[in-house]
Order: sequence, then C-alpha cells, then structure tokens
Amino acid sequence: NAGVTQTPKFQVLKTGQSMTLQCAQDMNHEYMSWYRQDPGMGLRLIHYSVGAGITDQGEVPNGYNVSRSTTEDFPLRLLSAAPSQTSVYFCASRSYSNQPQHFGDGTRLSIL
Amino acid sequence: GENVEQHPSTLSVQEGDSAVIKCTYSDSASNYFPWYKQELGKGPQLIIDIRSNVGEKKDQRIAVTLNKTAKHFSLHITETQPEDSAVYFCAASKASGTYKYIFGTGTRLKVLA
Repeated sequence: NAGVTQTPKFQVLKTGQSMTLQCAQDMNHEYMSWYRQDPGMGLRLIHYSVGAGITDQGEVPNGYNVSRSTTEDFPLRLLSAAPSQTSVYFCASRSYSNQPQHFGDGTRLSIL
Repeated sequence: GENVEQHPSTLSVQEGDSAVIKCTYSDSASNYFPWYKQELGKGPQLIIDIRSNVGEKKDQRIAVTLNKTAKHFSLHITETQPEDSAVYFCAASKASGTYKYIFGTGTRLKVLA
C-alpha cells in the first residue's frame, strides 16, 4: 500500500532555478491537491485537480504550474524559484470532494 | 470567504488528562469535518471524521462532536499519552462547489509525562 508518494524528500535550489516536485497515488483517486506548509500558516492550497486534464488554482498559485495527464500523477513545477517559495510541500489525494484526504510525507524545499 | 478558525494554537496537558481542540466554520453548506494528526517530519494523517448527519463519533480515546447550529466542532482526546503529542488540524468540506478542504491553522499538543 504505497498511498501518496512524493519525490524528492529534500531539495535545495538556487534562486531562479526551476524544478518539478513529483506526486503519484495508487488509489485511483480523482481529486489531487498541492499544499504548502509554512510555520504558523497551516496548509495553504496551491493548485488542485478534480480529474485527468482538469486543474484549477488554489489560494497561492503564483510561481507554480501543474498538469494532470494521468489519474495517478500530479507534478508541481516551480518556474523560477524564489526564496519566498522555501517551504514544505504536501501532495494529497481523495476519491471525491467530501471524502478523506490522504497526504504524502512532503518535500522540504529550500531556495537560496 | 470560507474560513475555519481553530483554537487553541498550543495546548499542554499532563499525561492522563483530557485535551479539547475547537474549530468554527463559516460555510453553512459544509457537511464533512475531518481531523488530522501531523507528527514531526510526516504528512497529516486522518484520525477521525464526522459528517453533518451525526452529532458525535467516537473511536477509542478520540471523539469528535458537531454543533451544526453554532457551526462548531471539537476534538476530544481522553487519557492522553506522550505519543499523542503532535500538531492537529481540523478541516471542513462540502460535496459541491469549490471542492476544497478548508483547514484550520493547527494546534500543537504537548503531553507532559
């Protein structure tokens, strides 16, 4: 039972670099989301998807892109990393809107 | 807009005592209320949830109560143990509309041995 798998677990980038955070789930869930977690701020929604080919913006989408070509995968792209994007990023999935959400163990990202 | 307020932000209790964390939501259409526990270095894990058609749900030492009129729900942990120390998040969701979970800002619970 893999659940939600995020890679990498840790990453250090320089300002201006780009990278992709990977997220995969094996539960055949339609809904997938990306959150960032900063101290004292709780979980803030970056982007979400309600099915393959469908994505939408959350609260803090600027500087990030997503795509959903398959049900299983939902990568998050940082286009030009900035120090303000230093955070812990969590991917989550669920079968339907008001169903339990399953989280990965996060990617800890530092931008220098 | 939609909002979930969570209190307190930190809570310290003696081992064996009870802990209560409270959340208030703004969207009266919300009908699903999960609670998550996040241990250090891990992602949030669902520990209990409740839907709007019931007022209370229990699972061993954990219980959740819901007051739809007041738009308020609470997590109760009895006979606390050191391994209950973690950050707890409440959330609210609904079956239609924005499809988003609205999370509270979290409560750091410390159980003192």
